[in-house]
Amino acid sequence: GAVVSQHPSRVICKSGTSVKIECRSLDFQATTMFWYRQFPKKSLMLMATSNEGSKATYEQGVEKDKFLINHASLTLSTLTVTSAHPEDSSFYICSARVGTPYNSPLHFGNGTRLTVT
Amino acid sequence: QQQVKQSPQSLIVQKGGISIINCAYENTAFDYFPWYQQFPGKGPALLIAIRPDVSEKKEGRFTISFNKSAKQFSLHIMDSQPGDSATYFCAASNQAGTALIFGKGTTLSVSS
Repeated sequence: GAVVSQHPSRVICKSGTSVKIECRSLDFQATTMFWYRQFPKKSLMLMATSNEGSKATYEQGVEKDKFLINHASLTLSTLTVTSAHPEDSSFYICSARVGTPYNSPLHFGNGTRLTVT
Repeated sequence: QQQVKQSPQSLIVQKGGISIINCAYENTAFDYFPWYQQFPGKGPALLIAIRPDVSEKKEGRFTISFNKSAKQFSLHIMDSQPGDSATYFCAASNQAGTALIFGKGTTLSVSS
């Protein structure tokens, strides 16, 4: 089946530094990828929609200058958390849709646990 | 309007029993309803999905029941097993918004 690979799985960084998270579609091309954030024992909150070759679309309340998204190719989207603070500590998960239709299966990566100290 | 309400928040079922998780939505434009299963420290995995043109879909021990008039859908897990212990999320989307809107999740524990 479709595989979405996310790297790293865990990262610890110091406050004020930046962290880059990669999301790759391994066996399919994804013109659109989605970035979600999940707090412990909570639901998945959509952060932004990443579009290949164009600017990402951010959800209300998500700081686009803090969470930089780049979708440079049909198989890679990156999320960079800039000037990270402890409140940015969370589980970040990317996802990609196999196929164009909106109701095609959406597959998720295994997430990145970010801890900011 | 964009919310998907999920219940219960947690559920304990004995091995072999039936687990039932319910979701309700307001936006009548939603027309794709998947269920995801998530184990701790992992990303969600697609379990089963339904469109509103059918009232029920079954895949193995998992069944989605859909009530369009009530704007409700539910997941039934038959013969629940300890390996089914996980968090389950319902979700919805429509053609206008390509991203999924998730419910708050249900933590299922199946006791052996």
